[in-house]
Amino acid sequence: GDSVTQMEGPVTLSEEAFLTINCTYTATGYPSLFWYVQYPGEGLQLLLKATKADDKGSNKGFEATYRKETTSFHLEKGSVQVSDSAVYFCALSFGNKLTFGTGTQLKVEL
Amino acid sequence: DGGITQSPKYLFRKEGQNVTLSCEQNLNHDAMYWYRQDPGQGLRLIYYSQIVNDFQKGDIAEGYSVSREKKESFPLTVTSAQKNPTAFYLCASSIGGQGRNEQFFGPGTRLTVL
Repeated sequence: GDSVTQMEGPVTLSEEAFLTINCTYTATGYPSLFWYVQYPGEGLQLLLKATKADDKGSNKGFEATYRKETTSFHLEKGSVQVSDSAVYFCALSFGNKLTFGTGTQLKVEL
Repeated sequence: DGGITQSPKYLFRKEGQNVTLSCEQNLNHDAMYWYRQDPGQGLRLIYYSQIVNDFQKGDIAEGYSVSREKKESFPLTVTSAQKNPTAFYLCASSIGGQGRNEQFFGPGTRLTVL
């Protein structure tokens, strides 16, 4: 079945460092891909999405490109802030089902 | 403001009791979903509904039940048959059930079985 694999956390960075969170997927068709963010004690918020190969999703300085050849959707940000500390979930959607990775916790320190 | 509300935020239950978690949306979305979140396991789909009076089991439906009598509401009942109900429960909705549609999430309900 469909699945999503994310790098394990926690990822700890200093403020203004470059961020990459790896995400790869396995799917039988051509899914849509998403990154969601969860702040402590809250629900999930959509961060960005891409619906077809080579699409780049971007929001709040975060970017991810849908790479069909490597089945990847890595999340990047050029300069992280303390306020970016949260758990990030990669997800794929095919048909009417959303499949999540296990989440990667990001901690940004001053 | 449009959005999804879940209540209560925290819920405590004794073993052997059924409990119902509320989920309401005013986004006029057709599809609604319930997920369970456990530490280190991401989110797992319990039930989903694409239209009023219709719903389907997700990956971990055993010990749970739902109803969809109104478009705005999708309550989840955690029954005594659920062996390990302590978890964080998230409700979501989307315009339709198609894959490319974004799902909007509520703030969650944390259920603890005493």
